[in-house]
Amino acid sequence: EAGVAQSPRYKIIEKRQSVAFWCNPISGHATLYWYQQILGQGPKLLIQFQNNGVVDDSQLPKDRFSAERLKGVDSTLKIQPAKLEDSAVYLCASSILAGALGETQYFGPGTRLLVL
Amino acid sequence: AQSVSQHNHHVILSEAASLELGCNYSYGGTVNLFWYVQYPGQHLQLLLKYFSGDPLVKGIKGFEAEFIKSKFSFNLRKPSVQWSDTAEYFCAGSGAGSYQLTFGKGTKLSVIP
Repeated sequence: EAGVAQSPRYKIIEKRQSVAFWCNPISGHATLYWYQQILGQGPKLLIQFQNNGVVDDSQLPKDRFSAERLKGVDSTLKIQPAKLEDSAVYLCASSILAGALGETQYFGPGTRLLVL
Repeated sequence: AQSVSQHNHHVILSEAASLELGCNYSYGGTVNLFWYVQYPGQHLQLLLKYFSGDPLVKGIKGFEAEFIKSKFSFNLRKPSVQWSDTAEYFCAGSGAGSYQLTFGKGTKLSVIP
């Protein structure tokens, strides 16, 4: 079974530039998550999709971050304009359903973003 | 607010030593608890999870964790570590009816041959 795919793996940009990350979840997984992991901290949920609808985006900085999952499969996370504090690893995860007891989330390799 | 805390930032052990990594949570009611591991250069992967039943949970690679409700703890244990256990370990939790995982800050484990 193929895992969660993410690209690019690394990205370096200057502040105020824009950047986009792509995620392809495990086939058949209805739920997709984007996390931000700042150095020295655990992952923090940014947004969660169930199929192509947003379930939770309460921690997404909506003035600069946006995400979409148009056909209920792939997803894109965008930052525009980027700030220095956005430097982090952006993780994508997927699960079969959301809210099921003890459901496991499967993580991709992440995209490491450096904002200069 | 729901939170998960891990007490040790970096643990250094010699091979064959016993391991215990602490994890405490603050959730009311039913809770789902997880330990994830990230080996160097690899992605996060599930080590074990607790959602109901036997509070002693066994995971992959000889790891186990015990859910102690009275102490709000879910500590990870392994009786004898190997060099290949060098990794970062994250405790995470979610409350009943919420699918949102809250992670601790992680504990780096370095095992010296």
